[in-house]
Amino acid sequence: DTGVSQNPRHKITKRGQNVTFRCDPISEHNRLYWYRQTLGQGPEFLTYFQNEAQLEKSRLLSDRFSAERPKGSFSTLEIQRTEQGDSAMYLCASSVTGISEKLFFGSGTQLSVL
Amino acid sequence: AQTVTQSQPEMSVQEAETVTLSCTYDTSESDYYLFWYKQPPSRQMILVIRQEAYKQQNATENRFSVNFQKAAKSFSLKISDSQLGDAAMYFCAYRPGGGADGLTFGKGTHLIIQP
Repeated sequence: DTGVSQNPRHKITKRGQNVTFRCDPISEHNRLYWYRQTLGQGPEFLTYFQNEAQLEKSRLLSDRFSAERPKGSFSTLEIQRTEQGDSAMYLCASSVTGISEKLFFGSGTQLSVL
Repeated sequence: AQTVTQSQPEMSVQEAETVTLSCTYDTSESDYYLFWYKQPPSRQMILVIRQEAYKQQNATENRFSVNFQKAAKSFSLKISDSQLGDAAMYFCAYRPGGGADGLTFGKGTHLIIQP
């Protein structure tokens, strides 16, 4: 068990650019979640997958955001035309069906939009 | 919509002493789960303790215990024999039962341990 891995750890980009983050969940975990955390706040739910199916999306996930989980393994979160308000830490978590309340989190990707 | 409120932005405690972190929540659901997560400077969220709403008995994990008051919608965390490694942000979180909905987190309490 190597834990949930997120890459990159830090990303600095200019406003208007596209960025993509990757999350590798714990290998036997079929559920994967994305959260966003801004300074001084708790994490906010963005979306979740069960295997390759995206089952729920928060209203926070605007049309500039897209998430995929091909083959039910790793997941990517893409932000198009980044804005300064997108600056935040993006956290990934995974779990197993039936024990879904126990989430294992990665260390996050810190995005700074200049 | 569910909300989670942590009214203490920061708490300080002497090493080896006991500290209690407060959390209240609002929900119309009867089946749900409550959690306390710890976020150290490494940023990785770590599950501290979990409580199922249908269980009357308060959850305990070593030095960590909760006081779950369902009628009052209160879920406080008690840390006994505080250690330097307990210093972190602590987040209270809620999830409705019966599905895989995302967690709703509070804003967190910054816990300082004074040696």
